[in-house]
Amino acid sequence: NAGVTQTPKFQVLKTGQSMTLQCAQDMNHEYMSWYRQDPGMGLRLIHYSVGAGITDQGEVPNGYNVSRSTTEDFPLRLLSAAPSQTSVYFCASSYDPGQSYEQYFGPGTRLTVT
Amino acid sequence: QQQVKQSPQSLIVQKGGISIINCAYENTAFDYFPWYQQFPGKGPALLIAIRPDVSEKKEGRFTISFNKSAKQFSLHIMDSQPGDSATYFCAASPTGTYKYIFGTGTRLKVLA
Repeated sequence: NAGVTQTPKFQVLKTGQSMTLQCAQDMNHEYMSWYRQDPGMGLRLIHYSVGAGITDQGEVPNGYNVSRSTTEDFPLRLLSAAPSQTSVYFCASSYDPGQSYEQYFGPGTRLTVT
Repeated sequence: QQQVKQSPQSLIVQKGGISIINCAYENTAFDYFPWYQQFPGKGPALLIAIRPDVSEKKEGRFTISFNKSAKQFSLHIMDSQPGDSATYFCAASPTGTYKYIFGTGTRLKVLA
């Protein structure tokens, strides 16, 4: 198994541009989530999904959209990039965190918005 | 607002020493408390986790101590090794939710 994969690894955007961060998992996990990691802030939940077709907002959802059309994929869309969205983005998946199962994280995407 | 407070921000320990990282939480409805380890350029990985009905859990050199009345939990790394140098995050999960709330992280450096 490849686990959780994320593309791209690095990205530079100009303010106002849009882009999609890709996340895929091959573990048949129902739960997937997106976090952003900023210095001194830890990881903050952006959006999450408990299964195909079901998504919900996390702690910092503004400026981001998600959809979950398949169990495997959970892309994160930045609608109009802002410098405040410069961060490292991590995707994670889990069997069922309601049962306190482990969350598996991808390697991250480092995004810079100029 | 941060509901899980982690300290210290950074920690330097001699090889063979004990590393201790502390976390405190505010919401009494949390029911799962994991610790994640993150190496530079990598995603976080689960190290050890505990539920509030247990006061201590040990896995190898890593121990979680949990104090429900004080709403605190801590990670102890015994016989710390240079390979343990990483950033450590505590987290808490509210009961019945799919959300994890992370602490701000502790950067541990173990000197050889």
